[in-house]
Order: sequence, then structure tokens, then C-alpha cells
Amino acid sequence: QVQLVQSGAEVRKPGASVKLSCKTSGYTFTSHAIHWVRQAPGESLEWLGWVNTGSGNTRYSQRLEGRVTITRDISATTAYMELSSLRSEDTSVYFCAREIYSRGTTHFDPWGQGTLVTVSS
Amino acid sequence: DIQMTQSPTSLSASVGDRVTITCRASRFIGSNLHWYQQKPGKAPNLLIYDASSLQSGVPSRFSGSGSGTDFTLTITSLQPEDFATYYCLQSYSAPREHTFGGGTNIEVK
Repeated sequence: QVQLVQSGAEVRKPGASVKLSCKTSGYTFTSHAIHWVRQAPGESLEWLGWVNTGSGNTRYSQRLEGRVTITRDISATTAYMELSSLRSEDTSVYFCAREIYSRGTTHFDPWGQGTLVTVSS
Repeated sequence: DIQMTQSPTSLSASVGDRVTITCRASRFIGSNLHWYQQKPGKAPNLLIYDASSLQSGVPSRFSGSGSGTDFTLTITSLQPEDFATYYCLQSYSAPREHTFGGGTNIEVK
């Protein structure tokens, strides 16, 4: 079955960077883009960006552009999300999700289990 | 940017109740609207895609409707496992942007 398995929880100090992984299995990796979404404690979901797993092309949220980098390793069927210049407001659970493209629209299914990133001095 | 406004932000309901959640887009998004259920400590789970298509494996008590700017998620007979938070997602402005609604928490009355 399709699975997205994310790396474990991270703790960083303000100003540091963090790189998370999302290992996929159960489907052809290059047939579906991977998106990253985060959720601060008690808050809604925020879309961060996505990577075309075939070409490697990316698109990022304007709010985080310049601090977020999404990459992929085809041989490892894994996507990565790196966030730099971390601030306390970046403390969130970070999710990866597979894109489904149908009839001109896109949605996300399934999702990884999430990775908690805590930014604290 | 497209803003998504969900209402209500929370509601109290009982098992067997009919529940309706709405999502309004700040401008036209066609049928590019999807609904997710999220339980505490878990990832969101897709319920409805393209405004009204039921995801495989999702119970038929869930349904979605709407197009343009106004959308509705309906649960016809609330079950104990349905107490959760529900989010809408617009993908009309993809690939540049995707936007979630603020969420609706359904709690036990």
C-alpha cells in the first residue's frame, strides 16, 4: 500500500536549520508530486510548497520563500524539506503528502505521519 | 491570494445528528475544493475531493456540495468516530498556492 514515512522529531535553536525526510513506498515515486504542509500547535494547516518528483522543479509559499527548500532523491524515493533561519514561530508538526492530480485539480492523499519540529533556545 | 473561511469554528453535536460545515472562498475556485478530517495527533485524512467526490473507503454519510465560492460538507448521521476537526483545502490557485480553511471542531454535546 502507499506509505509516506517521515523522519523523527527535531529540536533546534533559533537561527539554525532543519532538514526533514519523507520516505515513500507502494507507488511510482516520479508519478506524483510531494507537498509539505505544517501545523502549529492548536492551529490550522499551512501549505509550504511542493516538488515535482520527476523534474525536481519546486514551488514555495510566498510567506516562506527564501527559507524553505524542497528536494527529492529519486533513487531513494524520498523527498526532503529544509527550513533555515528558524524562529520560535516555526515550531510545528510538518507533514508531507502525495499529490493526486485528477480532472485538472490537485489534492493530497495520503499524508505522512508528521514530524514535530521544536524551535527553542 | 485566495482566503478560505470555514464556519462554524466549532460545534457541539450528538451521535445521530445531521451536521453541516461550510467553506467560503474569497473568489471563484470552481470545484477545486477538498475536505479533510483530522483527529488529535494524526495526519489529515481525505474525505471528499473535487467538491463532491467521495474518497474510496469513506462512509457514505459524508457528502460534499457546492461550486464557485460556497461549499458544504454534510454528515448525515454523526457517529462516535466522527468527532474530529475538519478542514477544507482549495487548489484552484495551484501550483502557485494551496490554502486551507481555519478548521471546524466537532465536539460532543
